Amino acid sequence: SQQGEEDPQALSIQEGENATMNCSYKTSINNLQWYRQNSGRGLVHLILIRSNEREKHSGRLRVTLDTSKKSSSLLITASRAADTASYFCATAGTSGTYKYIFGTGTRLKVLA
Amino acid sequence: NAGVTQTPKFRVLKTGQSMTLLCAQDMNHEYMYWYRQDPGMGLRLIHYSVGEGTTAKGEVPDGYNVSRLKKQNFLLGLESAAPSQTSVYFCASSTRVLAGVSTDTQYFGPGTRLTVL
Repeated sequence: SQQGEEDPQALSIQEGENATMNCSYKTSINNLQWYRQNSGRGLVHLILIRSNEREKHSGRLRVTLDTSKKSSSLLITASRAADTASYFCATAGTSGTYKYIFGTGTRLKVLA
Repeated sequence: NAGVTQTPKFRVLKTGQSMTLLCAQDMNHEYMYWYRQDPGMGLRLIHYSVGEGTTAKGEVPDGYNVSRLKKQNFLLGLESAAPSQTSVYFCASSTRVLAGVSTDTQYFGPGTRLTVL
């Protein structure tokens, strides 16, 4: 079964607005990662947050992690049309961090 | 560096046929993975390998076999294809330490779109 569930499933915003998507997971994790997938392409790694971290930034990306609620959020600020893609969270369990479980993804559409 | 490459990009099979998908990486990564992606399901792990000569089952291994005879290659085999195996298959690789820094980033190939009729 899927470890991560993203919310919302789809999101449509105007260019310049912020986009927030959430990920919930079921079991204890070592780290959580966010990936982007453009249509018809492979996934590209965006950011990783470890279980002992609460917030991380990378450019226009901000990720938070709440291990007590087993949830994470990805914020994309000042969105651009080029941000249009699907976004997935992936979790690595505590028993072996080389095995990842992906969520179902959020489809983001940024309108110019 | 080519990164992670997958062969072929597209394939159409008839039920019962067999085929092998090839994944190659030139980053000297220890770990390699095969996923399938179906609409609305995200990615599901089929098999993975933590080193040359080792393989392990993932979430959905039935109907697939894998081999990792060389560190840079990870092969996914379908012995008798079924329509339920129609999907997009992604290979990925990762390493634990990069330039002295711990990392768990996975690098993905472009995918193979497989249709089983």
